[in-house]
Amino acid sequence: NAGVTQTPKFQVLKTGQSMTLQCAQDMNHNSMYWYRQDPGMGLRLIYYSASEGTTDKGEVPNGYNVSRLNKREFSLRLESAAPSQTSVYFCASRDRAVTEAFFGQGTRLTVV
Amino acid sequence: GDSVTQMEGPVTLSEEAFLTINCTYTATGYPSLFWYVQYPGEGLQLLLKATKADDKGSNKGFEATYRKETTSFHLEKGSVQVSDSAVYFCALTGGGNKLTFGTGTQLKVEL
Repeated sequence: NAGVTQTPKFQVLKTGQSMTLQCAQDMNHNSMYWYRQDPGMGLRLIYYSASEGTTDKGEVPNGYNVSRLNKREFSLRLESAAPSQTSVYFCASRDRAVTEAFFGQGTRLTVV
Repeated sequence: GDSVTQMEGPVTLSEEAFLTINCTYTATGYPSLFWYVQYPGEGLQLLLKATKADDKGSNKGFEATYRKETTSFHLEKGSVQVSDSAVYFCALTGGGNKLTFGTGTQLKVEL
């Protein structure tokens, strides 16, 4: 089982460039999440999608957009990258609120 | 809104020492509580969970009890091993299926 797959694993962007982080899960989960992880800050929720067709802002949504393309895929877009968006990004999915969330391996993004 | 507060790390222990990592939370209603672990270079994986008051979650020698009266979910292990070295995250799900994490506590276990 692949679980949660994120692409790419590493990316370097110049300030002002755009890119899309891809996330796909093969577990038929309803909910999907995007987090960023920074030293000393833990995991901060950027956006989440409780079910197909819905998306909601998390704690730090500014500078990001998301698309829940279908039940499997949830993408995160940076329209104009800034150095403050240098981080490790994790996608996660789960079936229901009381169940385990499964995480991807992360995308390490550097904006120069 | 929902929030999780964890004790700051890093925590350094000798092998076979007792471990406690404190976690308290703020949430409306009756959240579900989780502990996740992150090994170097990897994503997070579930360690244990509790979905209602007084429930005890346990896995791999780790335990945590959902205490509604003190809004706490402290992680404990009686005898840590070098292989337990990792970052531990407390998390909760409140309303709307949002999953909120604490800042994480780094544990280092030495021989």
